[in-house]
Amino acid sequence: GESVGLHLPTLSVQEGDNSIINCAYSNSASDYFIWYKQESGKGPQFIIDIRSNMDKRQGQRVTVLLNKTVKHLSLQIAATQPGDSAVYFCAELNSGGSNYKLTFGKGTLLTVNP
Amino acid sequence: EAQVTQNPRYLITVTGKKLTVTCSQNMNHEYMSWYRQDPGLGLRQIYYSMNVEVTDKGDVPEGYKVSRKEKRNFPLILESPSPNQTSLYFCASGLSPVYEQYFGPGTRLTVT
Repeated sequence: GESVGLHLPTLSVQEGDNSIINCAYSNSASDYFIWYKQESGKGPQFIIDIRSNMDKRQGQRVTVLLNKTVKHLSLQIAATQPGDSAVYFCAELNSGGSNYKLTFGKGTLLTVNP
Repeated sequence: EAQVTQNPRYLITVTGKKLTVTCSQNMNHEYMSWYRQDPGLGLRQIYYSMNVEVTDKGDVPEGYKVSRKEKRNFPLILESPSPNQTSLYFCASGLSPVYEQYFGPGTRLTVT
């Protein structure tokens, strides 16, 4: 899950297993959520997004679940591969607010063991 | 190739010496933004721009300026850099804030 301190949460899985990365977002008015993957030495890369009128969205090997009641977001990666090893960030935005600030979580480090 | 470019990629400078980090995108995106990334703090938005001549503060704007005179460019200006601005900086662009953002490769800045 997301860190509230200085240490990055970590998740270690075996190749082929499914991974679940969690995120607790802060603003109940947020209506757009997005997951990014950041590999070492690179900029973040879009994975999948979801709007608040949905509670589930699927992509290729990834699924995002949104629970607005408890302000929780999760990213599920099926059949995790070594190339999935990276830091994963969730981000939230309130598109109906007075600004368009995108707020990121602190990230979760996913390590896939071969 | 669709991309966001940043220059320089690495910069070491001294306190108080004005610097500019350039950002350019070739995707005709209206939305551009700057982030800083620090260990344990994740990505924090500095400034963003909804279109030419339209900029607004993010979560950590103090000590930074931006301008958006053309759609493709969004430079980040540090008028008087201080050591607490030592960080990894990313520029990003997107069609709008509610679409995926394309990130540049990052600029590692060290202020001594």
